[in-house]
Amino acid sequence: GQQLNQSPQSMFIQEGEDVSMNCTSSSIFNTWLWYKQEPGEGPVLLIALYKAGELTSNGRLTAQFGITRKDSFLNISASIPSDVGIYFCAGQLSFGNTPLVFGKGTRLSVIA
Amino acid sequence: SAVISQKPSRDICQRGTSLTIQCQVDSQVTMMFWYRQQPGQSLTLIATANQGSEATYESGFVIDKFPISRPNLTFSTLTVSNMSPEDSSIYLCSARQGGGYEQYFGPGTRLTVT
Repeated sequence: GQQLNQSPQSMFIQEGEDVSMNCTSSSIFNTWLWYKQEPGEGPVLLIALYKAGELTSNGRLTAQFGITRKDSFLNISASIPSDVGIYFCAGQLSFGNTPLVFGKGTRLSVIA
Repeated sequence: SAVISQKPSRDICQRGTSLTIQCQVDSQVTMMFWYRQQPGQSLTLIATANQGSEATYESGFVIDKFPISRPNLTFSTLTVSNMSPEDSSIYLCSARQGGGYEQYFGPGTRLTVT
């Protein structure tokens, strides 16, 4: 099946640093979504992207839908300890009733 | 947005028994899904729960093992049948309005099979 290549797999950063993670695919996606999951919780939707080139912010988070429609990135600025968690990218291949394809996740650790 | 609740939040079950997980959405949604997730791993889609018809299962998942019901646009159940320790996992319910819409997740059901 389709796969999303998400990198890096894990990150250890100092509080206050900026973070960048990305997802790439060999297929064209019509929708990109970014989720954060904390231990013992379900994934929480952070940002949804629907147009190639779209740049969307949610507080300290910024995500972009790649112009080729085969990639997306998520940036977190001025990281804080509560940013700790696993971040997943997900894409939808078409606007029909197709399931999301998920990346393997980026585990973020923030050192105070 | 949609708020999704699941019951039970966790359970410990004996091998050979079955467990039914309930999922309730606070608004009518077109699509509901069931995922499985091993701790620290990505999400694996089990099936799409179709309202009024049989669920659509992904490769590797079968109706006899994971029967799903969806009687209306806000509720679905997943049953894990004849459980074995390999079924120990987190089961997540998810929902969205349709293609090109935001998809939301419930808090998950943590299942341990002994």
